[in-house]
Amino acid sequence: DARVTQTPRHKVTEMGQEVTMRCQPILGHNTVFWYRQTMMQGLELLAYFRNRAPLDDSGMPKDRFSAEMPDATLATLKIQPSEPRDSAVYFCASGSTDRHNEKLFFGSGTQLSVL
Amino acid sequence: KQEVTQIPAALSVPEGENLVLNCSFTDSAIYNLQWFRQDPGKGLTSLLLIQSSQREQTSGRLNASLDKSSGRSTLYIAASQPGDSATYLCAVRGHTGNQFYFGTGTSLTVIP
Repeated sequence: DARVTQTPRHKVTEMGQEVTMRCQPILGHNTVFWYRQTMMQGLELLAYFRNRAPLDDSGMPKDRFSAEMPDATLATLKIQPSEPRDSAVYFCASGSTDRHNEKLFFGSGTQLSVL
Repeated sequence: KQEVTQIPAALSVPEGENLVLNCSFTDSAIYNLQWFRQDPGKGLTSLLLIQSSQREQTSGRLNASLDKSSGRSTLYIAASQPGDSATYLCAVRGHTGNQFYFGTGTSLTVIP
């Protein structure tokens, strides 16, 4: 089964530390999304890539967050420095712009706790 | 900005009942709409996708309808089972194709 793979599954860190989350999208997918999920806000879009180019990162705090796709098999989301309010579940999702194959597929998420 | 609302936030039904989950959106200029299922501690799984030109999609005991002009979609679950217990989210894809707008979900509990 093709799936979106995210690592790590869980991360506990102290305030001020750098956090890097990784995502391997499904092979052949050309769109990648990063979402953050909290009880209060639900799912928030942080960044969107198409064909590895960043198209929308308006939902991401620019001073501390950065998202990249160094190649088609890897997307990264970094937080530096991390803060307690960043505690949430971070999801990566991938999809295709092919009109006949447009479902969005989510990874299992990274549960981040910043102490 | 597109806003997506799901009512009710939580629903509890006895096993075997048919049920309907609701999703409404404010901007009818959508590309498509998806229904997702999320189990505790897991990611979202796409259940059904309806293109803006379609009225409904079916998969097994699930049927999703779309009324774009009124900004509404429903997910019908027939003969509910305890294994259907999960949170169900709808997501509208904006007309530009970039953004998915998610509702906050309906938490469903099917009681054996």
